[in-house]
Amino acid sequence: GEDVEQSLFLSVREGDSSVINCTYTDSSSTYLYWYKQEPGAGLQLLTYIFSNMDMKQDQRLTVLLNKKDKHLSLRIADTQTGDSAIYFCAESTHDYKLSFGAGTTVTVRA
Amino acid sequence: ETGVTQTPRHLVMGMTNKKSLKCEQHLGHNAMYWYKQSAKKPLELMFVYNFKEQTENNSVPSRFSPECPNSSHLFLHLHTLQPEDSALYLCASSQGTSARLLGYTFGSGTRLTVV
Repeated sequence: GEDVEQSLFLSVREGDSSVINCTYTDSSSTYLYWYKQEPGAGLQLLTYIFSNMDMKQDQRLTVLLNKKDKHLSLRIADTQTGDSAIYFCAESTHDYKLSFGAGTTVTVRA
Repeated sequence: ETGVTQTPRHLVMGMTNKKSLKCEQHLGHNAMYWYKQSAKKPLELMFVYNFKEQTENNSVPSRFSPECPNSSHLFLHLHTLQPEDSALYLCASSQGTSARLLGYTFGSGTRLTVV
């Protein structure tokens, strides 16, 4: 089955790095995603990683994938106040279906 | 603007009311979805439409009735809802088999409050 779990909250100081963790259960996942939801908005695709990769870097974002442990993480370097949002981890095993976690609310404090 | 527009943004309705949520996408996508977002819970997939045909109904109560007249429009008709149905309802679309690579494009959601 498909089950994605994330911690619900993360508080980080401005300028520090944030690390958001996610675990998933479906070993046949082929793509894994990170979405960002700002207040009053829908989900916006931040980045994704293929299951045959173990790392992907995109400017301040670094995605790490441990396929053996079914663990995905998103690191945000030099966290800014604009990074305050809810971050969702999602996995895809079928063409038309993504399974999402409950989202991690990231609060950036000055 | 993401290219997926949802109306209304906010809706307050009584348990005996009938209302509809609307979603429109201008991206040329052929798959559309309804999700329910409740606090501290994973996003719940409700319905999937592919080329106007419903391909998934995740055991959603019959008080929620979807309609997809064409690939660009999706509705969610609501009647005799319960207070626990209060949530953010998100519409999304994708370009079929490209969904894996590009993921979904979401609208901003309709915040529904049932009183």
